[in-house]
Amino acid sequence: EDKVVQSPLSLVVHEGDTVTLNCSYEVTNFRSLLWYKQEKKAPTFLFMLTSSGIEKKSGRLSSILDKKELFSILNITATQTGDSAVYLCAVFFIIQGAQKLVFGQGTRLTINP
Amino acid sequence: DGGITQSPKYLFRKEGQNVTLSCEQNLNHDAMYWYRQDPGQGLRLIYYSQIVNDFQKGDIAEGYSVSREKKESFPLTVTSAQKNPTAFYLCASRKREQGGSPLHFGNGTRLTVT
Repeated sequence: EDKVVQSPLSLVVHEGDTVTLNCSYEVTNFRSLLWYKQEKKAPTFLFMLTSSGIEKKSGRLSSILDKKELFSILNITATQTGDSAVYLCAVFFIIQGAQKLVFGQGTRLTINP
Repeated sequence: DGGITQSPKYLFRKEGQNVTLSCEQNLNHDAMYWYRQDPGQGLRLIYYSQIVNDFQKGDIAEGYSVSREKKESFPLTVTSAQKNPTAFYLCASRKREQGGSPLHFGNGTRLTVT
């Protein structure tokens, strides 16, 4: 069965800390992995990863994909209270000719001042 | 401005009634998706559609139905057969590219059934 698993499910740290969020997957015909941030309503797009070993970076956030070990990590350095959110990982793959996108359970990140 | 519009924002229904959630996009995207989110959980796929007049069941399709008569519209009906319909429903769309492309989300509909 195709699945996407995120860990930890919940994380509480202090402002200024660095955090690493994990996403592992088991799917057939993998195409890409996406990271989203969800604060209150709609998730907002962070990164899309298709190739192994190539880091994507945006400010204090970065992410990398390992297609051999089937996982991705999302790093946030010098965390701020505004980083508090649920971080969602999703995997895009092909099944029976259809393009499907499945999400993990999410990691709830809380940054305390 | 292009985007995805979900309506209504909040919806209240009595148990046993069918209810239809609206999703319209003007991004000219081929693929559209419906997800359900329960408190403290990730998004679970209900139905998805790659082209007009075609759709596939996701992981939790039971008790739901959809239609895709127009490219811009992908309404979701929550039927009385859905045992736990109270949830936050998100509609999304994306370009249909082989390598994948980011989903664009609507702002969601929060459905409460009593």
